[in-house]
Formats: sequence, structure tokens, C-alpha cells
Amino acid sequence: AQKITQTQPGMFVQEKEAVTLDCTYDTSDQSYGLFWYKQPSSGEMIFLIYQGSYDEQNATEGRYSLNFQKARKSANLVISASQLGDSAMYFCAMREGEGVDFGNEKLTFGTGTRLTIIP
Amino acid sequence: GAGVSQSPRYKVTKRGQDVALRCDPISGHVSLYWYRQALGQGPEFLTYFNYEAQQDKSGLPNDRFSAERPEGSISTLTIQRTEQRDSAMYRCASSNTLGQGRTDTQYFGPGTRLTVL
Repeated sequence: AQKITQTQPGMFVQEKEAVTLDCTYDTSDQSYGLFWYKQPSSGEMIFLIYQGSYDEQNATEGRYSLNFQKARKSANLVISASQLGDSAMYFCAMREGEGVDFGNEKLTFGTGTRLTIIP
Repeated sequence: GAGVSQSPRYKVTKRGQDVALRCDPISGHVSLYWYRQALGQGPEFLTYFNYEAQQDKSGLPNDRFSAERPEGSISTLTIQRTEQRDSAMYRCASSNTLGQGRTDTQYFGPGTRLTVL
């Protein structure tokens, strides 16, 4: 089974509208972390937001928020008031085994969603 | 430097040649990761280090791939006897595990685009 599933290969959204990018995950660990990265056409990987499995509040970072629904194993990224510069590939990723002293285990990525903002 | 750097940015080589890809992590970062990203896919884990110790190399595809980080800073990923299927973007990331590590983020370098002819 896929550990990270992103079901939207591509999305087109009007500028200034909000957009939700879907991500579901599969793990048997109780402690894990979820990440979103942005990859513009330049190819860099830019960290956007992090959610820990034990965090009670949904993470927010400026215009980005993470809609974390633990029972449904979903971690959707919400971008408010989209801008032309938001056009990029977006990857959801998971790190299992959180909370260990040297717990920086590997990230497992989804296949990504290509977001295009229309002026 | 301010971020993770990788060199070369582009590498074209002939099948059968060896290549060495270099990663210079963010200064002071303890952990260093290597990933490979095929076109249209997300990055896939290859291996990672804490300081100079290789902690996990389960993602290395076969024994032609190896990595080292002898002084706990710069790392080199070496691919011997390259094959066309090795063509991909090779990305390095680093993170700081001096804290509890739960929220340590992996910061990625720009990648090395490898093309094997």
C-alpha cells in the first residue's frame, strides 16, 4: 500500500481563491510527522508546513494551513488567497518514528499535485 | 553558506563511467540525507547520516551506489558503472537534530541532474 497518496495530479485555481490539496497517509506508528513541500519550476524543494501526530491544533504558517484529520489519516494543505507565485508542484511527505532522540528518519513522499493559478 | 549546496548541478556521463556527487549541508546540521527524484515523481530516500555515521542505507538501489560523510560535514554519493536507469535528480537534505528532533525540518539543496547516455 502507498504510504502517502495524493489523488490530484493537477489543479487549476483562479487567483485569490482558496485551494485545498489532498493528502492521505498510511502508517501503523502512533507518532509521526507530516510535511508539505513546494517545488516551483526552478526545481528547488521549499518546506512549507509541519504537523505532528500529537499536535492538538492544526498547523498554520501564513497563508498555509494544514487540515489534519487523524481518524481519517488525512493531512490536506489549504492555501488561502492564492497568488500567481503559488503555481508549482506540491508534495506531501511523512516521517515515521517521531519523538526519538535521533528520530530524523527518512521522509516518504507522495507523487505530488501540480497547482496552476489562473490570473 | 546559508543553505544546502550541491555540485555539480548538472552531470552528463557515459554508461559505465563512475560519478561522484557532492553535498555541502547547512553549517552545523547533524543529519544529512540523500534522495533521488525521477521526473514527475516525489523524492525517494536513498541513505542518511548522523554526523559521520551512516544510519540507514536501505534505499540504495544496489551495490553500485555508496555514500560517505567522513568528517561529519560534506557528503559524497558515488555511483559506479553508471547505467541509463540511474538518470535522475539527486537531492541532498540536511537537518539539525540537536534538539528533540520532533519538528526538525529537512532542508533540501538544489539537486544534481544526472544524465547517463
